[in-house]
Amino acid sequence: AQKITQTQPGMFVQEKEAVTLDCTYDTSDQSYGLFWYKQPSSGEMIFLIYQGSYDEQNATEGRYSLNFQKARKSANLVISASQLGDSAMYFCAMRDFGNEKLTFGTGTRLTIIP
Amino acid sequence: NAGVMQNPRHLVRRRGQEARLRCSPMKGHSHVYWYRQLPEEGLKFMVYLQKENIIDESGMPKERFSAEFPKEGPSILRIQQVVRGDSAAYFCASSPTRDSAAAKNIQYFGAGTRLSVL
Repeated sequence: AQKITQTQPGMFVQEKEAVTLDCTYDTSDQSYGLFWYKQPSSGEMIFLIYQGSYDEQNATEGRYSLNFQKARKSANLVISASQLGDSAMYFCAMRDFGNEKLTFGTGTRLTIIP
Repeated sequence: NAGVMQNPRHLVRRRGQEARLRCSPMKGHSHVYWYRQLPEEGLKFMVYLQKENIIDESGMPKERFSAEFPKEGPSILRIQQVVRGDSAAYFCASSPTRDSAAAKNIQYFGAGTRLSVL
């Protein structure tokens, strides 16, 4: 069975600083994908970034990057130069290849302070 | 290119009534997924459908819940005889035709339907 653990229920960060949101995962499969989603107060789920277990490079998408450490089973999200609009819930999720269902963590509520 | 459309955004039902939640996937997407989110929790998988087929319903409660994705029209999540514990946000996601060799099969989510049972 898969499991995602997000140990930071809430974080407060000063605007323009970088922030790291932690995510560890557990799976017995060798092939899997890791995802981060953002959920603002309006409620929708917005896809941010993807990392495959066989990808050799850490994924990057604009100000988002994923610090993937396979041996530690961690997939932390790094947001550079944070903005007020980054205030939201952030969910880490994973999916084993050959299985369509996503398993989500409990999320981290990020608040950017002006 | 419109995203995943869910309606209604908010739905209020009394105990014992039926709730019908609709989801139109993104254009060109043939895979639909339903997830449920309880307050202050992550999303939990319910069911995965392709056109006219239920592929994986391992997360669906055994009773009162059903889902369909007909050849024409949106996917429907139906909850019969709702109870207060069904109050939650229900999210639909869609993805393109799955390439079995492509691990990166992103699921794009709608804005959700918030069901309140009185």
